[in-house]
Amino acid sequence: AQKVTQAQTEISVVEKEDVTLDCVYETRDTTYYLFWYKQPPSGELVFLIRRNSFDEQNEISGRYSWNFQKSTSSFNFTITASQVVDSAVYFCALSDVNYGQNFVFGPGTRLSVLP
Amino acid sequence: DTGVSQNPRHKITKRGQNVTFRCDPISEHNRLYWYRQTLGQGPEFLTYFQNEAQLEKSRLLSDRFSAERPKGSFSTLEIQRTEQGDSAMYLCASSHLTGMNEKLFFGSGTQLSVL
Repeated sequence: AQKVTQAQTEISVVEKEDVTLDCVYETRDTTYYLFWYKQPPSGELVFLIRRNSFDEQNEISGRYSWNFQKSTSSFNFTITASQVVDSAVYFCALSDVNYGQNFVFGPGTRLSVLP
Repeated sequence: DTGVSQNPRHKITKRGQNVTFRCDPISEHNRLYWYRQTLGQGPEFLTYFQNEAQLEKSRLLSDRFSAERPKGSFSTLEIQRTEQGDSAMYLCASSHLTGMNEKLFFGSGTQLSVL
């Protein structure tokens, strides 16, 4: 069965600090997809990134970067120079090729960026 | 493209009443998902449709829950004889089945409170 663990329940940082959100996943599939979503107080989950299991190249998008390590089944998310607007709950998710009920979310990490 | 729309945003009901939620997906998205999210947890899969066909249902979905997607457009989720344990955020997501690049777009959810 697919499983996603986000060990950090809550993180607080001061604005401009860097912060890394951890994600560890479990799957028996050789092909799978990993995602990060952001859920601001408004409630809507906002898509941030999708990564295919066969592509281990790390990705950077502005202040966001993702580190995919297949050997440790981790897909960590780093925000550089955090801002107050980054305050939200962040979810890591995992899906097999069929999606459906095999698209599972972790419990989320609540990030508070203090001014 | 106006995004995924869910109505109502909030619903307060008394135990034993029936409630119905509506989801309007992004136009031309052929997949539609329903998730339930409780406080401090990640979204949990309930069911999903491909066009008008309901392909999968979670074991979480009791007989009191029913979902429809007539004509493969909007979807409704009905809960009969609501219980206090049904209180949660109900999220809808849609996607366009494109194989390798499929990603889910979420609505803002319907917050259900059962008194």
